[in-house]
Amino acid sequence: GAGVSQSPRYKVAKRGQDVALRCDPISGHVSLFWYQQALGQGPEFLTYFQNEAQLDKSGLPSDRFFAERPEGSVSTLKIQRTQQEDSAVYLCASSLGLAGVETQYFGPGTRLLVL
Amino acid sequence: AQRVTQPEKLLSVFKGAPVELKCNYSYSGSPELFWYVQYSRQRLQLLLRHISRESIKGFTADLNKGETSFHLKKPFAQEEDSAMYYCAHRRGSNYQLIWGAGTKLIIKP
Repeated sequence: GAGVSQSPRYKVAKRGQDVALRCDPISGHVSLFWYQQALGQGPEFLTYFQNEAQLDKSGLPSDRFFAERPEGSVSTLKIQRTQQEDSAVYLCASSLGLAGVETQYFGPGTRLLVL
Repeated sequence: AQRVTQPEKLLSVFKGAPVELKCNYSYSGSPELFWYVQYSRQRLQLLLRHISRESIKGFTADLNKGETSFHLKKPFAQEEDSAMYYCAHRRGSNYQLIWGAGTKLIIKP
C-alpha cells in the first residue's frame, strides 16, 4: 500500500512568509508525528496527534508553529512569519497504534529553505 | 535531559570488514532503543529495535545497560550497507523518540 506522503517536497520561502506543509499518513494509522531535522542533525520531535487530538505540542519551537489534523487523517504543519532558523527538513511519521508504541513510518520529508 | 550520542559523524570501512556504529544514551531507567537507516534518496526506516532481539540485514545490536550503549554491528560489511544510520531512544512508554545526530557509513569496494 501507499506509504506516508508529504507535500511539497521542497519549499523556498522569503523571510516573513507563511508556509503550510502537508502530511498524508498511512490509511488507518492512529498516531501521527511531526519532526524537524536541521542539517547534520537527527530529527527532533515537534508534535504528536492521536487521531484528531493533538496530545503533545511540547516540541514546537515557538508560537509561530501550528499543527492540525482536523479529521484524524491528513495533517498540516503551518509556520507563520518564517525565519532563517526555520530552514530544515520537516518529517512526518505515522504509526498504527496508540502512543506510538508501534513502528513509526516516515514520509520523504519537506525541505524548507527560508531566505 | 535525555540524550543520544553517536560519536562518529562518518565511518568508512572496506567491503567485507566488520562494522560497529556506536550509540550511547543518557537515560538510567528502562529505555527502548532503535536503529533507523536512511539509504540514499530514500526515507527513514526502522532497521531494528532492541526488544525484538533480531538480526536485520546481518546487523545486530545489544543493549548494554551498564555502559548505556546500543552499538550496531555487522561482521562483514556490504556495499549496499552504505547509508545514514540513526540511533534513537524512547523512555519507557513515552512516545517521544530522542535521536542521535547520525553516522554516515561508507562501504568502500
